[in-house]
Amino acid sequence: DVKVTQSSRYLVKRTGEKVFLECVQDMDHENMFWYRQDPGLGLRLIYFSYDVKMKEKGDIPEGYSVSREKKERFSLILESASTNQTSMYLCATWGASRYNEQFFGPGTRLTVL
Amino acid sequence: GQQVMQIPQYQHVQEGEDFTTYCNSSTTLSNIQWYKQRPGGHPVFLIQLVKSGEVKKQKRLTFQFGEAKKNSSLHITATQTTDVGTYFCAGSEVGANNLFFGTGTRLTVIP
Repeated sequence: DVKVTQSSRYLVKRTGEKVFLECVQDMDHENMFWYRQDPGLGLRLIYFSYDVKMKEKGDIPEGYSVSREKKERFSLILESASTNQTSMYLCATWGASRYNEQFFGPGTRLTVL
Repeated sequence: GQQVMQIPQYQHVQEGEDFTTYCNSSTTLSNIQWYKQRPGGHPVFLIQLVKSGEVKKQKRLTFQFGEAKKNSSLHITATQTTDVGTYFCAGSEVGANNLFFGTGTRLTVIP
């Protein structure tokens, strides 16, 4: 069975803290994505990676960085968390063809106080 | 850059009524996918359309891809409370290696 897991379902951090969100997939997919979801704004792409050590900026990369040292793992890093980064963060994976579906993790609801 | 707009943003219907959500892209798409996100859950793939003018059905759900491959619709006949959730379209441009998600339509079904 396909599996995309995220390190935490809920996370509470303080302003200025460094935050790591991890995503692990077992499907051997090349492409991995980080989205944030906010009411009325849908899914907005933060960063994606199409191969190990490769990354590309999405629509809203400011304030975030990513790391992909291994194919199965894609990390989202908030260098200095701010309250406007309070959101639901979703990781997704995608196979080699754009005609494949994306598989999502369960999401991490991050609150920055 | 590519934009995918979806309307309406919210829709409340009585159980048994029909529901439609529309998706429009600023550019021509190679394919379009639809996802459903139940309350508290994550998006789950429903279907993919690839051909111009394509129509696909899944029980009470009918999906359509426009002739110009720039718009799509999802129609639900006789809604049920199990249809509650947010429906997203997602399109991919020719040659692109990512999907652009629409803003989603949140459906509430009143029993």
